[in-house]
Amino acid sequence: DAGVIQSPRHEVTEMGQEVTLRCKPISGHDYLFWYRQTMMRGLELLIYFNNNVPIDDSGMPEDRFSAKMPNASFSTLKIQPSEPRDSAVYFCASSLGLLEQFFGPGTRLTVL
Amino acid sequence: EDQVTQSPEALRLQEGESSSLNCSYTVSGLRGLFWYRQDPGKGPEFLFTLYSAGEEKEKERLKATLTKKESFLHITAPKPEDSATYLCAVQADVGNAGNMLTFGGGTRLMVKP
Repeated sequence: DAGVIQSPRHEVTEMGQEVTLRCKPISGHDYLFWYRQTMMRGLELLIYFNNNVPIDDSGMPEDRFSAKMPNASFSTLKIQPSEPRDSAVYFCASSLGLLEQFFGPGTRLTVL
Repeated sequence: EDQVTQSPEALRLQEGESSSLNCSYTVSGLRGLFWYRQDPGKGPEFLFTLYSAGEEKEKERLKATLTKKESFLHITAPKPEDSATYLCAVQADVGNAGNMLTFGGGTRLMVKP
């Protein structure tokens, strides 16, 4: 059974460029989460969706960040324009109801 | 605001040397406390969920326990393959609208042969 799928696994870009991270949740899961992990701040929730609807985006750092979930099997996190301080590992996770969350392998983003 | 503090930040053990990791939390009504294991370059892997004080869960050499203020992850006779970062997270009971996890900073465990 496939777990959460994220792409790309690694992304290197230059400051000012647009970055799009992609996620496919586990089939049948109704919650999807986007997290960011850094050494300084640990694992932080950015935004989460329930049945494709954004529920809480209070963790999104600023307007440069946006997330969409057009259907139950796909979500994107976009950063435009990107800045060096956005460099981090971005994780997508999904869950069935309020049960445990299952994480993807992450996308390591480096903004030069 | 929900808070989770894990200690120690790092722990070095010899193979076979049992120990415990601590997770202290402050939450306005606990729905669940979650333990995850994270290996370098990978996403967190789910281990346990605890829902009420006094509850215990076991998996191989790991046992998680819960009180009203903290949770412990006991590691019995650890092996080098248990080396990883262990993350604790709390889920607040805020009705149907809330499904957010607040994570602690993690404990990096290193088990030497």
